[in-house]
Amino acid sequence: SAVISQKPSRDICQRGTSLTIQCQVDSQVTMMFWYRQQPGQSLTLIATANQGSEATYESGFVIDKFPISRPNLTFSTLTVSNMSPEDSSIYLCSSRGTGGDEQYFGPGTRLTVT
Amino acid sequence: GDSVTQMEGPVTLSEEAFLTINCTYTATGYPSLFWYVQYPGEGLQLLLKATKADDKGSNKGFEATYRKETTSFHLEKGSVQVSDSAVYFCALSLNTGGFKTIFGAGTRLFVKA
Repeated sequence: SAVISQKPSRDICQRGTSLTIQCQVDSQVTMMFWYRQQPGQSLTLIATANQGSEATYESGFVIDKFPISRPNLTFSTLTVSNMSPEDSSIYLCSSRGTGGDEQYFGPGTRLTVT
Repeated sequence: GDSVTQMEGPVTLSEEAFLTINCTYTATGYPSLFWYVQYPGEGLQLLLKATKADDKGSNKGFEATYRKETTSFHLEKGSVQVSDSAVYFCALSLNTGGFKTIFGAGTRLFVKA
């Protein structure tokens, strides 16, 4: 299994600003994922981040709005840019188990945009 | 396309009651199936998994059997506890198309003492 930490755990931000969320895994992993979870809703995949290559974004999500970095096999960041109240959500980082197909999740970052 | 459908919540039960949360899936290949649990204020945790037809996943008293003929993976527990109150997500994963996991909508479970 993998233990994943995220920073910050929560933040309140003003409209038009940007926030960078950090995700740290306690072991080397090839695949990392970023999800958005609206209150009471399921998970929506934003992008898949593999080390050494550009992130792959899902339909409806673009790099200018959600730039992702993946500098090594244990770390990734997601930036939410030019925020609006519609970006208020929980953002979850996840990695795929090595040798398995289950995923491990961080505790999430609760973002409120005012 | 590939999808997961699970029963709508919330589900409210008394302690020691029997739990079933229905889950069915649509997939073009041979997926692995999962149940994840999310406790309040936390991320998702893997509860159990099954990787092929007729496999039974089990953990913490919860069970689910991979039924290929009915494309189902229903979650069951014989006697729920207050501490089982959480949101449960059924999910599938295919080792194709970017290795993505597809999640159901989630079912919230409340267990009363």
